Amino acid sequence: GENVEQHPSTLSVQEGDSAVIKCTYSDSASNYFPWYKQELGKGPQLIIDIRSNVGEKKDQRIAVTLNKTAKHFSLHITETQPEDSAVYFCAASKGSNYQLIWGAGTKLIIKP
Amino acid sequence: GAVVSQHPSWVICKSGTSVKIECRSLDFQATTMFWYRQFPKQSLMLMATSNEGSKATYEQGVEKDKFLINHASLTLSTLTVTSAHPEDSSFYICSAPNLGGGNEQFFGPGTRLTVL
Repeated sequence: GENVEQHPSTLSVQEGDSAVIKCTYSDSASNYFPWYKQELGKGPQLIIDIRSNVGEKKDQRIAVTLNKTAKHFSLHITETQPEDSAVYFCAASKGSNYQLIWGAGTKLIIKP
Repeated sequence: GAVVSQHPSWVICKSGTSVKIECRSLDFQATTMFWYRQFPKQSLMLMATSNEGSKATYEQGVEKDKFLINHASLTLSTLTVTSAHPEDSSFYICSAPNLGGGNEQFFGPGTRLTVL
């Protein structure tokens, strides 16, 4: 079945620097790739997503890129701030059943 | 964006008792909702898909008689953990896709269950 791998598991960056989290997926039929931010004790929050007909999407300091040929997608956060510290999950889905296949998560630590 | 609520946010119960968790879509209708559980420092694990007007679909390894799901209306799904045991202690999260907005799924704030 579909598998999503996410790296790194932990990422520590200096405040103001950029952070990049990468995911690869196995099912070439996947066509929707969301990124979620989860703070401690809370549910995941959708921060950005991308569909298979788009190569890049940007929303202020956050961007996502998709390489369908290589079957990988990445989250880019620029000018990181302390409030960006959280666990980030990538996911993939296909078709109309809305089921998400999740990556293992990346704990992002922003150092002051 | 769409809002999904969960109640309660946390619950502590004795071993052997049953606990009900509610998941509501506040500003949209959800014919489908998903129930996840999450252990500390782990990813979300899909337990079951809740379908309004029909039986829930459970993932492999999830006991349907232990985790009862009822999708009572287009805005409410409930998960009942029956005869709870300490190993059922976890963070339970529901989500609902906004059918009018594409594939996006919106998550509830989660329910922390602790079984003593």
